[in-house]
Amino acid sequence: DAKTTQPNSMESNEEEPVHLPCNHSTISGTDYIHWYRQLPSQGPEYVIHGLTSNVNNRMASLAIAEDRKSSTLILHRATLRDAAVYYCILRATSGTYKYIFGTGTRLKVLA
Amino acid sequence: DTGVSQDPRHKITKRGQNVTFRCDPISEHNRLYWYRQTLGQGPEFLTYFQNEAQLEKSRLLSDRFSAERPKGSFSTLEIQRTEQGDSAMYLCASSARQGPSYEQYFGPGTRLTVT
Repeated sequence: DAKTTQPNSMESNEEEPVHLPCNHSTISGTDYIHWYRQLPSQGPEYVIHGLTSNVNNRMASLAIAEDRKSSTLILHRATLRDAAVYYCILRATSGTYKYIFGTGTRLKVLA
Repeated sequence: DTGVSQDPRHKITKRGQNVTFRCDPISEHNRLYWYRQTLGQGPEFLTYFQNEAQLEKSRLLSDRFSAERPKGSFSTLEIQRTEQGDSAMYLCASSARQGPSYEQYFGPGTRLTVT
């Protein structure tokens, strides 16, 4: 399974945009990029996913590099409730579609 | 709300005891996953069910662990002869469809502490 690399932690000020990077240099042509977040004492929560094109939803935007070796999750206006661990995961197109989580990025939002 | 539910939310047990956790997936989700998460780490895959069939088990799932999903609805995860290394959060997730673009919905987890 292809691996991802994320910074251990990041800080952001409230109401400012946050760009969370993820490197996945060994991604295969058919791997999807999924992002989840985990708030304290909760299970992971789906945020967004993409394959090649940039994606937007009500929670965030996902920018995928042209070579697909990296991606960036964008929170347009961070709030205190966005403080969580954010996981970038590559998902293969066969098998059981289980997730292989890394250690993620712990986002701290400053008031 | 009919999200994934797990019971109990917390369990404290003594080493050597058996414990059983229950997961109720979202209704009509026929795919169910169990993960384990230790402090400071991301969740690790344990096992996967499609309907009642257990189709994949991780090497992490030792002989002391057993999971079932009778009738393809709720699932149970049993740990026999618990060890202190079993202390972790046990997460259940379900999915409606199979495919790389379909997300999994996670429950709140069961936190196990083995003393």
